[in-house]
Amino acid sequence: GAGVSQSPRYKVAKRGQDVALRCDPISGHVSLFWYQQALGQGPEFLTYFQNEAQLDKSGLPSDRFFAERPEGSVSTLKIQRTQQEDSAVYLCASSSAGGMNTGELFFGEGSRLTVL
Amino acid sequence: SQQGEEDPQALSIQEGENATMNCSYKTSINNLQWYRQNSGRGLVHLILIRSNEREKHSGRLRVTLDTSKKSSSLLITASRAADTASYFCATDGTWGKLIFGQGTELSVKP
Repeated sequence: GAGVSQSPRYKVAKRGQDVALRCDPISGHVSLFWYQQALGQGPEFLTYFQNEAQLDKSGLPSDRFFAERPEGSVSTLKIQRTQQEDSAVYLCASSSAGGMNTGELFFGEGSRLTVL
Repeated sequence: SQQGEEDPQALSIQEGENATMNCSYKTSINNLQWYRQNSGRGLVHLILIRSNEREKHSGRLRVTLDTSKKSSSLLITASRAADTASYFCATDGTWGKLIFGQGTELSVKP
């Protein structure tokens, strides 16, 4: 597609449920990032993939958060046993730059998760 | 944790006026980027300035970078109502990730 696509756009979960958020990056983009954005705050880094390799997961807040990109394109962020503090917008971004190079990131519209 | 701090947190101006937003950061950088986010949407890249550059222009946008003071500014000239959005600075971290500031919420009144 023309841009980064994320689904679902909105997700309401009951506390304790598992959720899966999908990201379809721009075709051919090597790098894929997940960010978490709380209301009124800037995006906070969660994890980074270069192709299918997860090179940095230092931002994942707990072991309830898991991300994968098995074929180096589509990525899924999974949150197990959701808690109210997980309520946020989850942003996916992709970039043609790889390795240590920082280039322009292309963001999706985000998935807004509300945990009741 | 977040690297940058934007100032002011919120800015309200009239259409046609200039808007200036400032960003300070803590560690050395290779480049700094500015992004815009409309309410409920994703972030859109505006401009990238490298650490060896002092000023960069793109249309109505002017970005300055002072690495000695670890600060950057974004100037939007002749603002329009459509410029209403949140603006974020971002510095480069390991593995190409960006570290974002808290953002400046700009409101341009027609």
